[in-house]
Amino acid sequence: AQTVTQSQPEMSVQEAETVTLSCTYDTSESDYYLFWYKQPPSRQMILVIRQEAYKQQNATENRFSVNFQKAAKSFSLKISDSQLGDAAMYFCAGGSQGNLIFGKGTKLSVKP
Amino acid sequence: NAGVMQNPRHLVRRRGQEARLRCSPMKGHSHVYWYRQLPEEGLKFMVYLQKENIIDESGMPKERFSAEFPKEGPSILRIQQVVRGDSAAYFCASSPRDWAGDTEAFFGQGTRLTVV
Repeated sequence: AQTVTQSQPEMSVQEAETVTLSCTYDTSESDYYLFWYKQPPSRQMILVIRQEAYKQQNATENRFSVNFQKAAKSFSLKISDSQLGDAAMYFCAGGSQGNLIFGKGTKLSVKP
Repeated sequence: NAGVMQNPRHLVRRRGQEARLRCSPMKGHSHVYWYRQLPEEGLKFMVYLQKENIIDESGMPKERFSAEFPKEGPSILRIQQVVRGDSAAYFCASSPRDWAGDTEAFFGQGTRLTVV
């Protein structure tokens, strides 16, 4: 992806509720991959979920799922049953061949 | 299996000094990627290396920055004559194959460089 945009600098969710983080991208590549990474205060980058652009089926990993709209170039992350440990910065990224473009991130707060 | 190891975790350099950042990939990983994260920003790609080869350095500044991944030993990101604008967190990631498709890359915890 040549550009990745996260339009929500901050989001907040109540514990056990569901939250959706938005991401749009723009690319001229035909073969690319999209990712969501979590960065807690420790700064460690943790892969949350990955989507191959050629797959129409939305990826799911336990409480995390994506809504991949290829025509709209949208790749949102849904977190269900939010937990306190989900509080972190979330980065959307896309690209291929190891050269990923990252968005500026969304800071997610989880209220007990 | 230890994760990606970066050292030092924190590095302070005076303007004009050299900074050397090290990255030991996960065991069995021969592909290394360096990214830079400025405050309040996402990560920005710098360079992609395989053993003894630079595959993609399109994100590297033209001057003062260099990277290597020798046959033996860690990958090194070297910044000569550091300036205040080099202050950032530098992340390394490694993967067993090209980072795409079903191949996951794992990140280290980063090196925070502060130039005073």
